[in-house]
Amino acid sequence: AQSVTQLDSHVSVSEGTPVLLRCNYSSSYSPSLFWYVQHPNKGLQLLLKYTSAATLVKGINGFEAEFKKSETSFHLTKPSAHMSDAAEYFCVVNRGFQKLVFGTGTRLLVSP
Amino acid sequence: DGGITQSPKYLFRKEGQNVTLSCEQNLNHDAMYWYRQDPGQGLRLIYYSQIVNDFQKGDIAEGYSVSREKKESFPLTVTSAQKNPTAFYLCASEESTLELATIYFGEGSWLTVV
Repeated sequence: AQSVTQLDSHVSVSEGTPVLLRCNYSSSYSPSLFWYVQHPNKGLQLLLKYTSAATLVKGINGFEAEFKKSETSFHLTKPSAHMSDAAEYFCVVNRGFQKLVFGTGTRLLVSP
Repeated sequence: DGGITQSPKYLFRKEGQNVTLSCEQNLNHDAMYWYRQDPGQGLRLIYYSQIVNDFQKGDIAEGYSVSREKKESFPLTVTSAQKNPTAFYLCASEESTLELATIYFGEGSWLTVV
């Protein structure tokens, strides 16, 4: 069975400092992995997706994620946080048959 | 612009009423989905449809119904049998390529029982 674990429910950073949101997955085969962002009362927006073409995936708004098979991780990073990055972030694994498994989310707080 | 449109954004339901949430997409995607999101939690799959006139139950289908008469439309009805319907509902559609299937979401609809 495939699952995904987001290790932190909340992450607080100061504006201009690096962001690290952690995600570990379990999968019996090479997974498809995604990061989505959700701002309050909004739908989910795709940040980036892992397609097995490259282990380092670049997404929108300066975010990137690195797929590490040996660590079963797909952590999301950004070199410098902006106030507009404050939101909920979801790590997602494709369970196959057109079903996704969502992590429980990490709320990113950005202080001035 | 292409996208997924959900309406209404906010909906209030009285006890015992059925209500229908609309979802329309002009992305020409075959597959569509309905998810429920409760505060502080992840998303849970209600129903999904791979093609017109076909749909399958997800993980929490009880108390919900759907139809897929047109490719563009996938409405969700929350019936009176759903005992705790207050939640944020998200519609999505899927872009499928040989490489990867990617899901895109609408802006969501809030349903509150009054």
